[in-house]
This record gives sequence, C-alpha cells and structure tokens, in this order.
Amino acid sequence: DIQMTQSPSSLSASVGDRVTITCRASQSISDYLNWYQQKPGKAPKLLIYVASYLQSGVPSRFSGSGSGTDFTLTISSLQPEDFATYYCQQSYSAPYTFGQGTQLEIK
Amino acid sequence: EVQLVESGGGLVKPGRSLRLSCTASGFTFGDDAMSWFRQAPGKGLEWVGFIRSKAYGGTTEYAASMKGRFTISRDDSKSIAYLQMNSLKTEDTAVYYCSRRRVWTGSYYYFDSWGQGTLVTVSS
Repeated sequence: DIQMTQSPSSLSASVGDRVTITCRASQSISDYLNWYQQKPGKAPKLLIYVASYLQSGVPSRFSGSGSGTDFTLTISSLQPEDFATYYCQQSYSAPYTFGQGTQLEIK
Repeated sequence: EVQLVESGGGLVKPGRSLRLSCTASGFTFGDDAMSWFRQAPGKGLEWVGFIRSKAYGGTTEYAASMKGRFTISRDDSKSIAYLQMNSLKTEDTAVYYCSRRRVWTGSYYYFDSWGQGTLVTVSS
C-alpha cells in the first residue's frame, strides 16, 4: 500500500495568514492526489483534485501543487471558515489511502 | 444538486451483520461508480471499496482488511448503493460515508460528493 504522510499534524494560524500543508507519498504517484477539508461532525469536502485542479465552488484562496512524491496545499489568506482538518488522498492505486490529517486551529 | 443519504447504521454485536444503504439523487446514478469510506472515532479517513457502473461491468474493489467480509452492491433502478458488512468486529466501529467517484481524463479518480455518514457501533 502507498503510505501518505502529512506535515504538520497540527497547525495554529491567524485569520489572514498564508498556510501551507505538505503531503508526501511513499512512492511516486504522479499527480494522482486529492485534498479534502473536514469540519467536526461533517463529511469530507473535496477541495483539489489531480494535485492542482480546484473543485467547483471552492474559493480561489485554496491551491494545490506538486507531482511525484511531494505535494502542497496552500491557503493564501486564512478565513474563519477554513479552520478544519485537511486530508490528502492518493488515487494512483487501490487502496486509496489518506494522510493522517492536518488539524488547522485558530491562534 | 447531488445528494447522498446513508442509512442503516446502529449498534450491533460482534460477529453479526449489518447492511448500509446510500440513497442518491440529483445525478444519473447509473453513470457513476460509488464508493464507501469509514472513519473510526477520532481517527482519519479509510477507503472501504467501490463499485463501478454497469457500463464498466459493475465490478468491485475493496481494501484488503475488508475483502471477504464486506460486499458493495448497487440497485440503479432505485439509485441506491449498499454496503453489506458481515462478521463485524469491534474495530469496524466507525462513521461510514458513501461518495460518488468521478473520473478525469480516463484514469484520475476523485470523490466529489459525500453523504452525511451513518454511525456503526460494534459492541457486545
């Protein structure tokens, strides 16, 4: 199975900050990488697919980049509604594994 | 608007079975593969498996830890996907989500719509 490792596991930031979350795959996955946001008690929400494509309806302050084994999710200017847990997921091969999550908290 | 609604969760004893349903609306259900995920309390997300559309044979794939115990099926006439779970273990306790699988340029998978989830608790 492909292991996905996110860093950091938790992050404190302020409204207006620029934030970057990193995801590393245990082997090359090309650009088969998705990002999700999850708020407590809610279902995950797709933000980015194929490493850099913004899902319809997702604010443009979210962006994704990377290829191979290293990927990043960037939020250009944090808004109050962005405080949540973020997961990367590889879709290169089954099982479609997730990172352990990055909890983004208000500083 | 795409909507997915899971049902069928609850408290079940170890070794017993449970069937979850995912009722879809707002899209042509038969055209898409459907997937199940789960999330144990306080833990991360785990892919359970998916079922392809009939156009792609309606075949299934599963995570290794669930293969042989879990079965995904679909009824396109009712727009429902099912997750049959047998020989349940305490470690199967989780919120179970269904999701629509989308495909981009033929090989890239992503999961764009999710239900609200249904809690399955396996305990004696």
